[in-house]
Amino acid sequence: GENVEQHPSTLSVQEGDSAVIKCTYSDSASNYFPWYKQELGKRPQLIIDIRSNVGEKKDQRIAVTLNKTAKHFSLHITETQPEDSAVYFCAASIPGGGADGLTFGKGTHLIIQP
Amino acid sequence: DTGVSQNPRHKITKRGQNVTFRCDPISEHNRLYWYRQTLGQGPEFLTYFQNEAQLEKSRLLSDRFSAERPKGSFSTLEIQRTEQGDSAMYLCASSLVETSGIEQFFGPGTRLTVL
Repeated sequence: GENVEQHPSTLSVQEGDSAVIKCTYSDSASNYFPWYKQELGKRPQLIIDIRSNVGEKKDQRIAVTLNKTAKHFSLHITETQPEDSAVYFCAASIPGGGADGLTFGKGTHLIIQP
Repeated sequence: DTGVSQNPRHKITKRGQNVTFRCDPISEHNRLYWYRQTLGQGPEFLTYFQNEAQLEKSRLLSDRFSAERPKGSFSTLEIQRTEQGDSAMYLCASSLVETSGIEQFFGPGTRLTVL
């Protein structure tokens, strides 16, 4: 089955700086890669996703890049703000390919230092 | 509230008891997923339904776990003979496949504590 590795487990950045979180996946058939943000005691919230037919997607301060050959994808947050502090999870799946359930990474605790 | 809802939000039970959780998906979403999340970990996929059909089950779903979605709307997850290792947050998510929407939207979860 799919295995998703996520790094780092904790990331501390100064407010206004950029943050990058990286994930690798094992199943080359995976073609859908969402990122979720989870604040303490709350539900995971989808912040951005990418499908394997594109290499990059951007939404305001958030961007995701995908390298299918290397089987890794990354989340980039620019101009970080205190409200970006949370745990971020990457995930992978094969929608319609018998593996629609998401396989998640272990999460990255992002801390924005004022 | 038009989001995914789950009940109860918290459940404390004694080892060996049976528990049942309910999930109400976003209206008209045809797919419903169950996940389990333990402290400090990402959610782990358990099972999912398309309408009333259960299409995929993780090997994490032991025979003590059963899920149903009889009318293709809400779903229930039952755990029989609970064990302390079942203590976790049980999350439900839904999606609408017919649009481009394979995005899964999560509910607030049911936190289970087995004493």
